[in-house]
Amino acid sequence: TQLLEQSPQFLSIQEGENLTVYCNSSSVFSSLQWYRQEPGEGPVLLVTVVTGGEVKKLKRLTFQFGDARKDSPLHITAAQPGDTGLYLCAGVELTGGGNKLTFGTGTQLKVEL
Amino acid sequence: GAVVSQHPSWVICKSGTSVKIECRSLDFQATTMFWYRQFPKQSLMLMATSNEGSKATYEQGVEKDKFLINHASLTLSTLTVTSAHPEDSSFYICSARSGGGGETQYFGPGTRLLVL
Repeated sequence: TQLLEQSPQFLSIQEGENLTVYCNSSSVFSSLQWYRQEPGEGPVLLVTVVTGGEVKKLKRLTFQFGDARKDSPLHITAAQPGDTGLYLCAGVELTGGGNKLTFGTGTQLKVEL
Repeated sequence: GAVVSQHPSWVICKSGTSVKIECRSLDFQATTMFWYRQFPKQSLMLMATSNEGSKATYEQGVEKDKFLINHASLTLSTLTVTSAHPEDSSFYICSARSGGGGETQYFGPGTRLLVL
């Protein structure tokens, strides 16, 4: 069973602070995705990283994929209350039936005014 | 973008009854749909994968006779929780993927199930 551990599990910060969320895998996936989920809703895809060493930016969010393609830090600059939510990484695994997602343990972020 | 809906958005039922949850792809044909379960403050756990017109593939530890999945058309999959018990209370989320090489999963808004 492939595991994706995220840290920290919970994070409460003030508006304007920077933060980093970590996603670490016990094995290599074909690619890795990051999602944000708000209470009572489904997860929304933020980004997909495929290549080792890849860096992608989405406004104040910077996503990286480790060289070994087993870890992915997510860095948020100048956090806003709108960034509050559950951040989930998901490993994409190629199977006979197509791609299968394995979700990480999640990081609950709360950004306060 | 692709839209996936779920119905109902929340349901309360008595222990022992069965509950059906629908997942629809509104603007694309979904050859594959996935069902996930999410307990409070936890991550999503894949329950099963269903392909249109064939039997669902269940993940280890998920009872196929308890969680009946039907994917009879390219836009609709249903999950029926049979003889529901309080421990089945959870947030059930579906996702849909189109065929033809499209590998992105589009997630529904989820269904909150509370079994009393």
